[in-house]
Amino acid sequence: TAGITQAPTSQILAAGRSMTLRCTQDMRHNAMYWYRQDLGLGLRLIHYSNTAGTTGKGEVPDGYSVSRANTDDFPLTLASAVPSQTSVYFCASSDGAEYNEQFFGPGTRLTVL
Amino acid sequence: GESVGLHLPTLSVQEGDNSIINCAYSNSASDYFIWYKQESGKGPQFIIDIRSNMDKRQGQRVTVLLNKTVKHLSLQIAATQPGDSAVYFCGPAFRSGGYNKLIFGAGTRLAVHP
Repeated sequence: TAGITQAPTSQILAAGRSMTLRCTQDMRHNAMYWYRQDLGLGLRLIHYSNTAGTTGKGEVPDGYSVSRANTDDFPLTLASAVPSQTSVYFCASSDGAEYNEQFFGPGTRLTVL
Repeated sequence: GESVGLHLPTLSVQEGDNSIINCAYSNSASDYFIWYKQESGKGPQFIIDIRSNMDKRQGQRVTVLLNKTVKHLSLQIAATQPGDSAVYFCGPAFRSGGYNKLIFGAGTRLAVHP
């Protein structure tokens, strides 16, 4: 079982360009999340989805959008990247609405120049 | 506001010794607390959780203690091994705005020396 996969592993992106970070899970989890991790700031939630067809804003949603067309996929899009979006991005999933363990992907390291 | 602080940003231990990682939190609304481990270049991995009606929970080589009176968590790792070297995150979890919110601090780095 792969769990959660993310692509790409890393990317260098010119400011102003758009990019979609991909996330796929094979655990049939209802809830999925996108976090960014910056040194000294821990993990911060960008967007979440409690079930397919629904999404919501987390703590730092500005500049990002998500979609949840099906259970398995939860792409994160940067419409016009800025250098402050340089970070490591983690996708996670959990089973159900309670405080279940979140399973994290391996991350995507994004550098915006 | 909500915050999670860690007493020791870096902890160095000898292989075989016991490790104790401490964590303070400010939000008292949560009834669930969780520890994650993150190895270099990998995503966070769940270690153990504890509900607020408990003060101690044991796993395999790990024990979490919760003191709600002083808003303090600790993670004890017995017989620390090189594979335990990682950054450890603690924090409360609760429902907020329609989603399961995990409040992660910046983390504590555990370095295990042979």
